[in-house]
Amino acid sequence: DAKTTQPNSMESNEEEPVHLPCNHSTISGTDYIHWYRQLPSQGPEYVIHGLTSNVNNRMASLAIAEDRKSSTLILHRATLRDAAVYYCILRDNAGANNLFFGTGTRLTVIP
Amino acid sequence: EAGVAQSPRYKIIEKRQSVAFWCNPISGHATLYWYQQILGQGPKLLIQFQNNGVVDDSQLPKDRFSAERLKGVDSTLKIQPAKLEDSAVYLCASSFGARGNNEQFFGPGTRLTVL
Repeated sequence: DAKTTQPNSMESNEEEPVHLPCNHSTISGTDYIHWYRQLPSQGPEYVIHGLTSNVNNRMASLAIAEDRKSSTLILHRATLRDAAVYYCILRDNAGANNLFFGTGTRLTVIP
Repeated sequence: EAGVAQSPRYKIIEKRQSVAFWCNPISGHATLYWYQQILGQGPKLLIQFQNNGVVDDSQLPKDRFSAERLKGVDSTLKIQPAKLEDSAVYLCASSFGARGNNEQFFGPGTRLTVL
């Protein structure tokens, strides 16, 4: 099963950019890379996803390594509301998702 | 657009009792997921439905957990009998399809405490 590895925790100062890394060395060619975040006492919330090319949306940017064995979620200006646990997961495009969240990265934003 | 609805939000039961959780996915979403999230851990997939058929239930403890999705819309997850280690948040999610480029939308979860 293709799984991901993330640091347990990271800190960032408010209004500074944050780069959250994720390793997925056993990724297959049909796996999409998804990022979700979970605020305290809430269900996970979709952030962004990509396959091969870098992606941008209103919440974040996703940078995918050329060999696809790692990716980085970029929050351009961290706010206090971005404090959450961030999960990097893989989703097989064939439909056999075998979704595995892991323990994620807990982001602390310092005012 | 209405989100994923779950009920109840909280439930406290004693061990060996039964409990059921209900989920109403986003309208039009064919794929429905139930996750178990134990405190301090990431969500663990219990079962995935595509319409009213099961796609993956490999991590569902079938001796005590059951789930159904009648008519391919609402779903219920049941635990019978409950054990202390079942204390967790049970999350329901839905997506338009099961392919890898579909994002999942999560409900608020049901927090279960087994005494």
